[in-house]
Amino acid sequence: AAGVIQSPRHLIKEKRETATLKCYPIPRHDTVYWYQQGPGQDPQFLISFYEKMQSDKGSIPDRFSAQQFSDYHSELNMSSLELGDSALYFCASSLATSGGSEQFFGPGTRLTVL
Amino acid sequence: DAKTTQPPSMDCAEGRAANLPCNHSTISGNEYVYWYRQIHSQGPQYIIHGLKNNETNEMASLIITEDRKSSTLILPHATLRDTAVYYCIVRVAQYRIPGGFKTIFGAGTRLFVKA
Repeated sequence: AAGVIQSPRHLIKEKRETATLKCYPIPRHDTVYWYQQGPGQDPQFLISFYEKMQSDKGSIPDRFSAQQFSDYHSELNMSSLELGDSALYFCASSLATSGGSEQFFGPGTRLTVL
Repeated sequence: DAKTTQPPSMDCAEGRAANLPCNHSTISGNEYVYWYRQIHSQGPQYIIHGLKNNETNEMASLIITEDRKSSTLILPHATLRDTAVYYCIVRVAQYRIPGGFKTIFGAGTRLFVKA
């Protein structure tokens, strides 16, 4: 079965650079969530989208922005990168009409900021 | 969403049942209990969820007490590949709010399955 695809899987950036992470949800899923997991920490919710509209927002820095496109894939844009942004970034997708009970997570993108 | 309490770590012998407890004494009547797990540095994986009845699927069983203040996730025959952090989460099934299913991860239980 198709799973959530994230790209790139690994990314190395310098401080103050920008980064774009991409997420391709499971086919027919209309909801996308982004999570950040710092070293030794639990995943933290950043932002979610339903039908290309932002549906919820967590502890996402103002330097970050995200959107969901017409094909339901999503991109997380990160600017003015800081050392503390080094983390695993997970995307999850679900189907709203099913009640959204199950969220399927992607393998994550490991971002390293030097 | 209600807060959950889980033991920080547990050990289990391979082939034996792993019983992971979770306390959620402030759970509301419309909140479900969800379990996810995260194998080292992989994406979290959904395991099971329930409201008040016990549930079973191909991965695990979920036992919820009658007062719904606690639950137990049971892995019937643990294998080395079940070593992971297990998260118990309670949240409203916000089916009327598409996109409102954010998962708030707590500390979780680190399960070590030993040969």
